[in-house]
Amino acid sequence: RKEVEQDPGPFNVPEGATVAFNCTYSNSASQSFFWYRQDCRKEPKLLMSVYSSGNEDGRFTAQLNRASQYISLLIRDSKLSDSATYLCVVSNDYKLSFGAGTTVTVRA
Amino acid sequence: GAGVSQSPRYKVAKRGQDVALRCDPISGHVSLFWYQQALGQGPEFLTYFQNEAQLDKSGLPSDRFFAERPEGSVSTLKIQRTQQEDSAVYLCASSLEAGVAYEQYFGPGTRLTVT
Repeated sequence: RKEVEQDPGPFNVPEGATVAFNCTYSNSASQSFFWYRQDCRKEPKLLMSVYSSGNEDGRFTAQLNRASQYISLLIRDSKLSDSATYLCVVSNDYKLSFGAGTTVTVRA
Repeated sequence: GAGVSQSPRYKVAKRGQDVALRCDPISGHVSLFWYQQALGQGPEFLTYFQNEAQLDKSGLPSDRFFAERPEGSVSTLKIQRTQQEDSAVYLCASSLEAGVAYEQYFGPGTRLTVT
């Protein structure tokens, strides 16, 4: 069983829509949680850290449920530029464990 | 400012050849990581350096893989006697801090194809 599991999608949504997806992780000792974004054939880039209390960054909202060991990401008012693969990432030290990613395509 | 750079960006190797992949981290970053990303998968951890010390090589898939960072800056990942299953994108990342899951900045990767 992989340490981080994600629905691969793809999620195809029109511009302006809200899209949400989540991931689950298996290591209850995980301490740090992130969402990274990866565009096609590009490197991963940090989108946002995820905190237990939930946090927002503009149109993006992340939630963490430690009891159920899942992390969610919600994108409001989707833009064409949001089309990418979103990688769920957990860590309990310096090492990052990545999910396989959820692909989101925003159409005009 | 300059980000993490990697070279070559693309490498085609015949099975059995040795390859060397280079990573130039962001200046001053203490931590350096190598990851392997297969098609359709997320990056998988290979090894971790804190300055010149290789503190974790638990992710290296076999003894054909070797990494070094002799002066605490540039790092090289070497793969000996390449096999087809080594075909992947090799990503290097650096971070300012040591020993914590601080933000990691990734390079563009080296796409290795073994024929």
